[in-house]
Parts: sequence; structure tokens; C-alpha cells
Amino acid sequence: KAGVTQTPRYLIKTRGQQVTLSCSPISGHRSVSWYQQTPGQGLQFLFEYFSETQRNKGNFPGRFSGRQFSNSRSEMNVSTLELGDSALYLCASSRLAGGQRETDTQYFGPGTRLTVL
Amino acid sequence: AQSVSQHNHHVILSEAASLELGCNYSYGGTVNLFWYVQYPGQHLQLLLKYFSGDPLVKGIKGFEAEFIKSKFSFNLRKPSVQWSDTAEYFCAVITNTGGFKTIFGAGTRLFVKA
Repeated sequence: KAGVTQTPRYLIKTRGQQVTLSCSPISGHRSVSWYQQTPGQGLQFLFEYFSETQRNKGNFPGRFSGRQFSNSRSEMNVSTLELGDSALYLCASSRLAGGQRETDTQYFGPGTRLTVL
Repeated sequence: AQSVSQHNHHVILSEAASLELGCNYSYGGTVNLFWYVQYPGQHLQLLLKYFSGDPLVKGIKGFEAEFIKSKFSFNLRKPSVQWSDTAEYFCAVITNTGGFKTIFGAGTRLFVKA
């Protein structure tokens, strides 16, 4: 079956702009989680959506937001971009919501590399 | 705040050497523990996980990890590495503080010399 897909794969923006990233989960998966990966901070959890509801949230400012659609596809939006937002943004999907993954596996997408100039 | 520490950022081994990557977490409650691997040019993928039961967990490709609750550790091991094990390895923890959150370690880059 098709894996997790993320679009676009690469993006260049300037400070102050906003950006929307998209994630399509594996068919049948209802949970989508977003992570930010940087060389300095590593992989950090942004938020998780399950059945169109945000279930869990990491420690990121309100400029980072997301949503999930009825087909489980998810978008992440970052407003008023800062240089420090340059990162690889990963999305992961699973059947179940966070904390319930003993019989479940989280599958990661290839990521969207965002560069803020 | 909860955190996950991976002791080695870079490890270089020769083929057939044994591997042990350290992982410690700081959280006193119930945790679910994971090791993920990212091979060059590939997506992050799950190696193994621990939720409950036998603290020695076996994963794919001959990897195993041992959960030692008293030491807050979840070290990854492999008796004999291969060149194809060259990758970055991430330890992760799911805690239930203010909702379930996955916390990743900084990662360990393993290079196996042929």
C-alpha cells in the first residue's frame, strides 16, 4: 500500500511569510502527527490530529497550527515565518491515536524541507 | 520537563562488531519506549518498541533493546553489525503528561566500516 506522502518536498520562503504543508496518511490511518527536525533541536513533536480533532500538542508557539480533514489528510500552517523555522517537517500516520500504539505502528513520510530566508 | 538522552552522537564500528547504543529518559510515570532508524535517503522507520511485559524486546534486523526501569534506560543492542546498519538511530518515549506526547532523543549516527 502507498506510504505517507508529504507535499511539497522542498520549500523556500522569506521571513514574515506563511506556509502550508500537506500530509496524506496511509489509507485507513486516522492519526496524523507532525514533527519538526532541526540539527540543533532534533525531532520535536508539534501536534497530533485524530478524526479531525487535535488530540495532543507540543511546546510550539501559536504560529504553528494544523488541521485534519474528513479523509484524514492533514495540513500544517506556519504564519509569520522566522529564520529559526527552517527545518525538516515530518508527518507520521497511524491507525490509533497517541499512547495507544502497542498494536499499532507509526509510519513516517519523507518530510518537507522548509528554508526560510 | 521530560527528556530523552542518547549518549553517543556518532559511533563508528567495523563489521561484525557488537553494538550498544545508550538511551536514558527522565520521566517517573508510565512510559512507552521506541527505537527508530533512518537509513540514508529513507524515511524514519520503527525498529522496536516496548509497552509492557518482557523488558527484553526484539525488533527487526536482529536488533533488541532492554528496558531497565530502575535505570530509566532503554539501550539498543545488536550482537554483530553489518555495513547495511549504517544509519541514524533515534530513541523515543511516549509520556502521558498533559496528553500523550512523543519525545525523541537527539539521535546517534552509526557508521559501519566494511
